[in-house]
Amino acid sequence: QQQVKQSPQSLIVQKGGISIINCAYENTAFDYFPWYQQFPGKGPALLIAIRPDVSEKKEGRFTISFNKSAKQFSLHIMDSQPGDSATYFCAASNSGSARQLTFGSGTQLTVLP
Amino acid sequence: DAGVIQSPRHEVTEMGQEVTLRCKPISGHDYLFWYRQTMMRGLELLIYFNNNVPIDDSGMPEDRFSAKMPNASFSTLKIQPSEPRDSAVYFCASSPAGFQPQHFGDGTRLSIL
Repeated sequence: QQQVKQSPQSLIVQKGGISIINCAYENTAFDYFPWYQQFPGKGPALLIAIRPDVSEKKEGRFTISFNKSAKQFSLHIMDSQPGDSATYFCAASNSGSARQLTFGSGTQLTVLP
Repeated sequence: DAGVIQSPRHEVTEMGQEVTLRCKPISGHDYLFWYRQTMMRGLELLIYFNNNVPIDDSGMPEDRFSAKMPNASFSTLKIQPSEPRDSAVYFCASSPAGFQPQHFGDGTRLSIL
């Protein structure tokens, strides 16, 4: 019930291409869906987040698409750059549980120059 | 503005020894979280505090693990006795009151020989 399933495990994209990472959840009480970016040797850093009252949120080259009925959300990185190479984690939480984040398993993105 | 500060960054010790990990949250943040990251299990929440009080420690793996927050600017995670399976990267994160994102430190890489 608490699990967040993330795919793919790894992704290789050419510079300028679109990177797409998908997540699915079961717990309908989740109402906050952040994406974190992690570089080697660093902690995860919040990239972008969405609440289920909107279907899409865009910040620069990063877009979250949210499908409440399917209980799925995805991260799209447009015009992917080598500097975007990192591990990306989706997460979900229930505002009623003091923001305890349940993380997906992570996607290692490599953007080739 | 200083972020979450963790120490040490790396710790190598022998099985059976006591290990103490330290965290200084961002000033003014009311919530503090301890996570463990491994390849097998990903990012797991171990325990979190609100205003220095432990709220949920259900993620603490066993009695060998303990965490304290004696004041708003300091927390420790202790493992006694340590075992090789405790080897992981341990992250501390903090967040303000209200529904705000968690800010992670750069972690402590712990190796138990």
